[in-house]
Amino acid sequence: NAGVTQTPKFRILKIGQSMTLQCAQDMNHNYMYWYRQDPGMGLKLIYYSVGAGITDKGEVPNGYNVSRSTTEDFPLRLELAAPSQTSVYFCASQTSGRGTTGELFFGEGSRLTVL
Amino acid sequence: GQQLNQSPQSMFIQEGEDVSMNCTSSSIFNTWLWYKQDPGEGPVLLIALYKAGELTSNGRLTAQFGITRKDSFLNISASIPSDVGIYFCAGLYSFGNEKLTFGTGTRLTIIP
Repeated sequence: NAGVTQTPKFRILKIGQSMTLQCAQDMNHNYMYWYRQDPGMGLKLIYYSVGAGITDKGEVPNGYNVSRSTTEDFPLRLELAAPSQTSVYFCASQTSGRGTTGELFFGEGSRLTVL
Repeated sequence: GQQLNQSPQSMFIQEGEDVSMNCTSSSIFNTWLWYKQDPGEGPVLLIALYKAGELTSNGRLTAQFGITRKDSFLNISASIPSDVGIYFCAGLYSFGNEKLTFGTGTRLTIIP
């Protein structure tokens, strides 16, 4: 029962470095999302995808890029890391079509610190 | 963008007490969902509401979809230690536009 798997769980970056947060789901969900969670600020949508080859910006996309080459994977890339990107990042997925309930399945999160 | 105001931001209660929290929106939603986040984990769905006025229970949890479609409420009865965590409301306007809007969360702490 893997569900949504995120790697790495923790990472420290220096300002200006780049990295990719990996996300994979094994539930054959079409919809996938990246959120960031800052203390006391809830979850903010960074990017989302409704299927392989299709991505779109969310609420806070600046400084990030995504790709969706397969149904299973939805990596999030940070270019030129900045202290403002220190946060906990969550990947989530959801089924689509007639079975949609609005329920998102979340990974365990990736805690990123930029120094 | 849409905003969800969730209150209270935090609660400190004793075991056995009942808990109430709410979520209000500046615009309507057609689906309301309540999630719980345990420390170090991702949020997990507790209750989903699909119809204005709907009242739904899941064990000790009861949630209501407000008549105006701009608010929702979550009650927890007889709290136990495992209820500790952050509770998020989320609204969805329509299926086909699958972007949930999340509230800022209510952090629940239980005092021994």
